[in-house]
Amino acid sequence: AQKVTQAQTEISVVEKEDVTLDCVYETRDTTYYLFWYKQPPSGELVFLIRRNSFDEQNEISGRYSWNFQKSTSSFNFTITASQVVDSAVYFCALRDAGGKLIFGQGTELSVKP
Amino acid sequence: GAVVSQHPSWVICKSGTSVKIECRSLDFQATTMFWYRQFPKQSLMLMATSNEGSKATYEQGVEKDKFLINHASLTLSTLTVTSAHPEDSSFYICSAPQGLAGGWTDTQYFGPGTRLTVL
Repeated sequence: AQKVTQAQTEISVVEKEDVTLDCVYETRDTTYYLFWYKQPPSGELVFLIRRNSFDEQNEISGRYSWNFQKSTSSFNFTITASQVVDSAVYFCALRDAGGKLIFGQGTELSVKP
Repeated sequence: GAVVSQHPSWVICKSGTSVKIECRSLDFQATTMFWYRQFPKQSLMLMATSNEGSKATYEQGVEKDKFLINHASLTLSTLTVTSAHPEDSSFYICSAPQGLAGGWTDTQYFGPGTRLTVL
């Protein structure tokens, strides 16, 4: 069965702190895609990153970085020097062979000034 | 990234009425679109897959006759909530995959969502 688990329901940090959002997935597919989306209070989901199962290179984009480890079925997301504008709900998702996105429960990040 | 729009962004209606929500891919064509539902403080749940030129595919537990989906063109899918009731109040979000292959490897881009309140 396909499943995505985001064990952290809520995280609260103070501005400029680093924060890591955890994502663990389950799949029997050998080829799959993983995603992270950001959902600010406005509700719109913003695409952040896509990673395929054959590419385990970590990626950095500005203050964002992602650590993909197939050995532990994890795809964690780190925000460096967090800002108030980073406050949002973050979803990790797995795309199965049928094309459907399976979302984790989401992690609500609150960055306080 | 690709742009997906939804209309209306919010709607309030009386119980028993029908509500139509539009989802458009603005700068690309999408033979497939997806409709999700999200309750407060919860994750997104896939309701159905909208297919251009054929019938929609519904997820288990979703009533086909209540949530009518029409994929009229390569850039437009509509979701009609028929005979809406208060329990249908939710945040409805559509998405469309956009990429090189037009297949399952594409990235899904989401619309801004429609907040439905049924009184």
